[in-house]
Amino acid sequence: QVQLKESGPGLVKPSETLSLTCTVSGGSISSYFWSWIRQPAGKGLEWIGRIYISGTTNYNPSLKSRVTMSVDTSKNHFSLRLSSVTAADTAVYYCSREVGPPHGGFFENWGQGILVTVSS
Amino acid sequence: DIVMTQSPDSLAVSLGERATINCKSSQSLFYSSNNKNCLAWYQQKAGQPPKLLIYWASTRESGVPDRFSGSGSETDFTLTISRLQAEDVAIYYCQQYYSTPQFGQGTKLEIK
Repeated sequence: QVQLKESGPGLVKPSETLSLTCTVSGGSISSYFWSWIRQPAGKGLEWIGRIYISGTTNYNPSLKSRVTMSVDTSKNHFSLRLSSVTAADTAVYYCSREVGPPHGGFFENWGQGILVTVSS
Repeated sequence: DIVMTQSPDSLAVSLGERATINCKSSQSLFYSSNNKNCLAWYQQKAGQPPKLLIYWASTRESGVPDRFSGSGSETDFTLTISRLQAEDVAIYYCQQYYSTPQFGQGTKLEIK
């Protein structure tokens, strides 16, 4: 069974860049789309974007100007960078394996999530 | 953008009774390539990540109890829990994957 684990700083200053990594175990990263999803405390889920091993990315239009994703198949992990953060970016960030049709799918496996707080 | 609207926002059901959660899409989720609907359901318990329950609107994920079922097509979908158990207390989300993934706002299910 594929397992995912998020890692990175839990505290980021306003205007700086949030950087997270998701390490995949129990399976190869060399297939499927890999996504990031976030959830502010007490609120719903927001898809941030996805990456394929080829480097192909798709981002949520609402975040596109600030998001960069990358993948490192040698380390079996993928990463998220979100620039110019504000308090509104405070959330639990999840990484997930996305399966389904080529244009996008559903989220079959999830990491436990990491709380990132934006504060000075 | 496709907007997903769930109803109700919260629901209290007695143990052993049926719970029904609705999800409405602002446009059809019918995927002509396989004649299925691009709709998934998730369960999120307190302090945990979401768990996939149903995909393609009605296909149960492996290991999910058969008291969970999904139905509907195009724009109107339903998640039914046939005999509510205490462990089913959670927030339930629908998600469309016909285009940029979008989740419903969630439905909180409690025991009456």
